Amino acid sequence: DIQMTQSLSTLSASVGDTVTITCRASQSISRWLAWYQQKPGKAPKLLIYRASNLQSGVPSRFNGSGSGTEFTLTISSLQPDDFATYFCHQYNVFSPWTFGQGTKVDIK
Amino acid sequence: EVQLVQSGAEVKKPGESLRISCQGSGYSFTNYWITWVRHVPGKGLEWLGNIDPSDSYINYSPPFQGHVTISADASISTAYLQWSSLKASDTAIYYCARHLVAAAELDYWGQGTLVTVSS
Repeated sequence: DIQMTQSLSTLSASVGDTVTITCRASQSISRWLAWYQQKPGKAPKLLIYRASNLQSGVPSRFNGSGSGTEFTLTISSLQPDDFATYFCHQYNVFSPWTFGQGTKVDIK
Repeated sequence: EVQLVQSGAEVKKPGESLRISCQGSGYSFTNYWITWVRHVPGKGLEWLGNIDPSDSYINYSPPFQGHVTISADASISTAYLQWSSLKASDTAIYYCARHLVAAAELDYWGQGTLVTVSS
């Protein structure tokens, strides 16, 4: 299976900061990667699909980039509503889907 | 409004059977696949498998094949995840989510169903 590694389990930041969350795949997944936001007790919410496409309704301060094995989610000008856990998801058609362990963005 | 509404929390004993459900509304149920994912406390998300409700074609993740059964009833826009013999290690929150094609992002998720298996 393809392993998805998010190197930081927790990231502390302040409102207005720019934060970058990284996700590394154990083998190339082209651009078959999504990013989700999850808050406690809530269902995950799709933010980015196919590595860099912004889901409809998601604020433009969220930006995804990368291809192959290295991916990043950047949140510009962090807002109070953005404190949550973010995780990546690879959906390569040739292998079982896998998820990163998640990165919690909390208040510094 | 697209919604996936899951059945309520369950508490079961090891060896018991269980079926949980996920009902879609606000869209054409047969136009989207349904995936099942679980979240074990302290671990990341795990993909169990998915189903195309239009023809009930199913993909299982190898670790879960043979232990869970995925099904769907398109007439009532509902997908199911079931176990014939639960284990304590099945304790988790189970989510359903929809996606447009076999390999695609999960654009809407259910609220999750907590399954607790304990003697």
